[in-house]
Amino acid sequence: DQQVKQNSPSLSVQEGRISILNCDYTNSMFDYFLWYKKYPAEGPTFLISISSIKDKNEDGRFTVFLNKSAKHLSLHIVPSQPGDSAVYFCAAGEGKLIFGQGTTLQVKP
Amino acid sequence: DAGVIQSPRHEVTEMGQEVTLRCKPISGHDYLFWYRQTMMRGLELLIYFNNNVPIDDSGMPEDRFSAKMPNASFSTLKIQPSEPRDSAVYFCASSLVGAGYDVRDNEQFFGPGTRLTVL
Repeated sequence: DQQVKQNSPSLSVQEGRISILNCDYTNSMFDYFLWYKKYPAEGPTFLISISSIKDKNEDGRFTVFLNKSAKHLSLHIVPSQPGDSAVYFCAAGEGKLIFGQGTTLQVKP
Repeated sequence: DAGVIQSPRHEVTEMGQEVTLRCKPISGHDYLFWYRQTMMRGLELLIYFNNNVPIDDSGMPEDRFSAKMPNASFSTLKIQPSEPRDSAVYFCASSLVGAGYDVRDNEQFFGPGTRLTVL
């Protein structure tokens, strides 16, 4: 049973526009959430995180929103750049991290 | 710091053969994690260690999989015998803290992965 789900396998966005990646979870006990970014032939790298006591965290072009009542989080990238093209994983933590399936973002020039 | 080191980067083997994947975590990190990446399930946690002791191996698919951490700087994941459905990318990650109160304490640093193909 998948506790963390990313229902969109892929997303294509024009350069300069907003990219919105979504993630749903089932366990209300998760304490924190992280987004990781993965380029081909490399391991995932940390991008941004949010604690369950917050509803928003911003870091430059990246903002993560958390809606606990809906058990939903999203990652906004504004403006999107071609270098943002990668696979994005959301993860939820309760001592260990549970990862979603990933969403492949393509930002077109 | 060299980061998390994994070897080999690519492994091609035949069904029934033994496969051993290796990982060197970041020095000073107390936690080590083994993941498997597949298209269907994304990143699955297989097992993790704290101070060289296995804490949770509930993600290990079956008895064909085993993992060891003989010391703080080395871990292995072994598959014996290997099967075609084991083909995937296997990642090792390490972190300072496994369940810290500060979200950033829980950041895991991943190695480049081992792409395993079982024919």
